[in-house]
Amino acid sequence: SQTIHQWPATLVQPVGSPLSLECTVEGTSNPNLYWYRQAAGRGLQLLFYSVGIGQISSEVPQNLSASRPQDRQFILSSKKLLLSDSGFYLCAWGHLGGYTFGSGTRLTVV
Amino acid sequence: AQSVTQPDIHITVSEGASLELRCNYSYGATPYLFWYVQSPGQGLQLLLKYFSGDTLVQGIKGFEAEFKRSQSSFNLRKPSVHWSDAAEYFCAVGARGTYKYIFGTGTRLKVLA
Repeated sequence: SQTIHQWPATLVQPVGSPLSLECTVEGTSNPNLYWYRQAAGRGLQLLFYSVGIGQISSEVPQNLSASRPQDRQFILSSKKLLLSDSGFYLCAWGHLGGYTFGSGTRLTVV
Repeated sequence: AQSVTQPDIHITVSEGASLELRCNYSYGATPYLFWYVQSPGQGLQLLLKYFSGDTLVQGIKGFEAEFKRSQSSFNLRKPSVHWSDAAEYFCAVGARGTYKYIFGTGTRLKVLA
């Protein structure tokens, strides 16, 4: 069956530290993958999406970057975190039936 | 511009009462429409979707939604709410084949015992 894994579940990082969030999909090949950020009262904001290895599209300018080193792996990174990077980050796999979401990562930058 | 509006940020209903969550969209092409539910600290789960055909679609957990093209709406309904339905609900719209969906800002549902 098809599943999506996202980790870690929670993360507390100091300002200026690096970030790496990982997302992997099982049970499918060449998936469309997405990183969303959810801030309180602001819904879901699409950050990046990828239709294949090495292919990254950025939706909004920001302090974050994404990479897709393998077919079913999608990584969200930052070299230096800002306070404003705090939020709930969701990885998603897009398909005909809609999205399948990971369980999310709660990032708190202190 | 493509957009999704969920006009109600918070809704409170009593257990057993009926529920309707509103969703209006602006989209140039024939849209694919979705409703998702999110429990606190969790990812989003698909409740139901509309692609074409019958404008009244049934989903999981007893939810249904009706697509009204003339009103650009896709409202979510449930005849009798259970306490476990307390969560945040998101409407989303997208185009066929793009897999890029636009989400509304969500409606947080509170259920009174």
